[in-house]
Amino acid sequence: DTAVSQTPKYLVTQMGNDKSIKCEQNLGHDTMYWYKQDSKKFLKIMFSYNNKELIINETVPNRFSPKSPDKAHLNLHINSLELGDSAVYFCASSPMTGHEQYFGPGTRLTVT
Amino acid sequence: AQSVTQLDSQVPVFEEAPVELRCNYSSSVSVYLFWYVQYPNQGLQLLLKYLSGSTLVKGINGFEAEFNKSQTSFHLRKPSVHISDTAEYFCAASGGGADGLTFGKGTHLIIQP
Repeated sequence: DTAVSQTPKYLVTQMGNDKSIKCEQNLGHDTMYWYKQDSKKFLKIMFSYNNKELIINETVPNRFSPKSPDKAHLNLHINSLELGDSAVYFCASSPMTGHEQYFGPGTRLTVT
Repeated sequence: AQSVTQLDSQVPVFEEAPVELRCNYSSSVSVYLFWYVQYPNQGLQLLLKYLSGSTLVKGINGFEAEFNKSQTSFHLRKPSVHISDTAEYFCAASGGGADGLTFGKGTHLIIQP
């Protein structure tokens, strides 16, 4: 059983389009996250979310928005895609805020 | 705000030799520390974690790390590496809140036969 899954694994799209990446965890965790890994492999937190609180990294453009239909899912919606959005996006979940996180396999987004 | 520094971007080592990957953190409050491994085109896998208690932490695949508060370090070690350990290794820190992990820039471990 996959603990944290993401779809799609690869996403190629054109500038200006709107796209979503889905994330699901079956670990029963309350907190989920989205990270962006750039071409130099640097990882940066974008959002963290639990039932009560959404924390947004202030550097994330408001074209990015997390949407959580339920505790096990945290999807990432991106409006008006730009070339600079090309990266690998990772979803993660944690049993308790601040503790270890478990990562999904990543979604490689390429904007042309 | 925390910061995590991985002092080496690349570490080459011969197979069956020992290795140490260095990590220093900067935090004015309590800190939780982690090491993750990323194999090519894969997600991040947790190697080990320090939350509290014993400063020597053992993880998977024969890795261990030592939390040193006075040196603000959390170096990763393995006594004998294998070809399969070739990967990118990330040190990460958390202040215990909900604002996610702060990662170092990663160290690429290259195992030479």
